[in-house]
Amino acid sequence: KAGVTQTPRYLIKTRGQQVTLSCSPISGHRSVSWYQQTPGQGLQFLFEYFSETQRNKGNFPGRFSGRQFSNSRSEMNVSTLELGDSALYLCASSLEQGNPASPLHFGNGTRLTVT
Amino acid sequence: AQKITQTQPGMFVQEKEAVTLDCTYDTSDQSYGLFWYKQPSSGEMIFLIYQGSYDEQNATEGRYSLNFQKARKSANLVISASQLGDSAMYFCAMRENPRVEYGNKLVFGAGTILRVKS
Repeated sequence: KAGVTQTPRYLIKTRGQQVTLSCSPISGHRSVSWYQQTPGQGLQFLFEYFSETQRNKGNFPGRFSGRQFSNSRSEMNVSTLELGDSALYLCASSLEQGNPASPLHFGNGTRLTVT
Repeated sequence: AQKITQTQPGMFVQEKEAVTLDCTYDTSDQSYGLFWYKQPSSGEMIFLIYQGSYDEQNATEGRYSLNFQKARKSANLVISASQLGDSAMYFCAMRENPRVEYGNKLVFGAGTILRVKS
């Protein structure tokens, strides 16, 4: 069974630009979450989608947005990029909602560098 | 709000020895889940082990075991017979309120870098 796939693996963008990251969950998983990882702030939750609906949102500005498609694939968009957006963006999928033992399965991440 | 504390920024362990990575947590929920993840330099987060707040026995998965002390709010990861491939960053995480409407959000600690020496 294929794992969580994130594309692209690396991105270099300029301040002010926008970027779209893609995530394909494990087959059958309907929950997709996004996390930002930086050396200073660690791992921070961005948002979660379940069945095309945003179910939970972290404390990030509105420049960060996402969506989920009917096939559970998800995209994350960051507009008006700032230097501080440079980070590893991790996507995770999960099989069941409401099951506390259901782990998140993460992809390899997209490393975004903003210059 | 839930909080995870990992007090060991870095640890060294000799190959084939056991090592304990510390994790304490803070929550007012009675029902919660605790996870440990491994992150090699490649970046992928690998799920290792899970402990539920109502589980009476400590979780074990192969060489990984979780020393769960609910009253002390600690969930330490024990890796037995360390291998060179265990060198990685290790994160302790908690699932916030595992009810359906709260989704699958995890709160992570700062992590511990483990280096296994040959």
